[in-house]
Amino acid sequence: EAQVTQNPRYLITVTGKKLTVTCSQNMNHEYMSWYRQDPGLGLRQIYYSMNVEVTDKGDVPEGYKVSRKEKRNFPLILESPSPNQTSLYFCASSLWIPSGGSTDTQYFGPGTRLTVL
Amino acid sequence: KNQVEQSPQSLIILEGKNCTLQCNYTVSPFSNLRWYKQDTGRGPVSLTIMTFSENTKSNGRYTATLDADTKQSSLHITASQLSDSASYICVVSASYDYKLSFGAGTTVTVRA
Repeated sequence: EAQVTQNPRYLITVTGKKLTVTCSQNMNHEYMSWYRQDPGLGLRQIYYSMNVEVTDKGDVPEGYKVSRKEKRNFPLILESPSPNQTSLYFCASSLWIPSGGSTDTQYFGPGTRLTVL
Repeated sequence: KNQVEQSPQSLIILEGKNCTLQCNYTVSPFSNLRWYKQDTGRGPVSLTIMTFSENTKSNGRYTATLDADTKQSSLHITASQLSDSASYICVVSASYDYKLSFGAGTTVTVRA
């Protein structure tokens, strides 16, 4: 089954304790992206990757890191989490970049609900 | 700055009734517009995508319309079912731009 998986689905942590949220897709997609979703603000892009070893900042990259060493995986790293990073996080992938003139569909993972105390 | 505004923020409808959600955007130059459905606790799922040359697109009981001149889109849900209870998100893409512009979503609650 074609899908995007994220782990963990739920995470409660404390300020400053490094964490990684994994994302994996099995559709051989080139483009992967991380979003956070907060009430009333909609989805906001954190980072995206157009190919292996190619990543770029989205709209809200501060406090986050990513890497793309393999096509299928795109982990999100919080080196020193803070309470303002409490949010619902989504990983997404598409065959190619889903913007500009492209009509590619993004496939979203199930989400990771992160709470930073 | 490219913006996408959705209205209403939320609505409640009775099962079997129809409803229409609105999406206004300032994204320019316009490339395409997508509607996503997001069930509570799940990731968004694509419903429709429309390019500049399309003014209507259907997916089952969901029909999206686009007026590129007024920069408005609507999503019409026909004969609503309890499973239509979800958040509906409008996403607009500009030409020559790698960024997507997301609306904040409309939460639809269908009551029996």
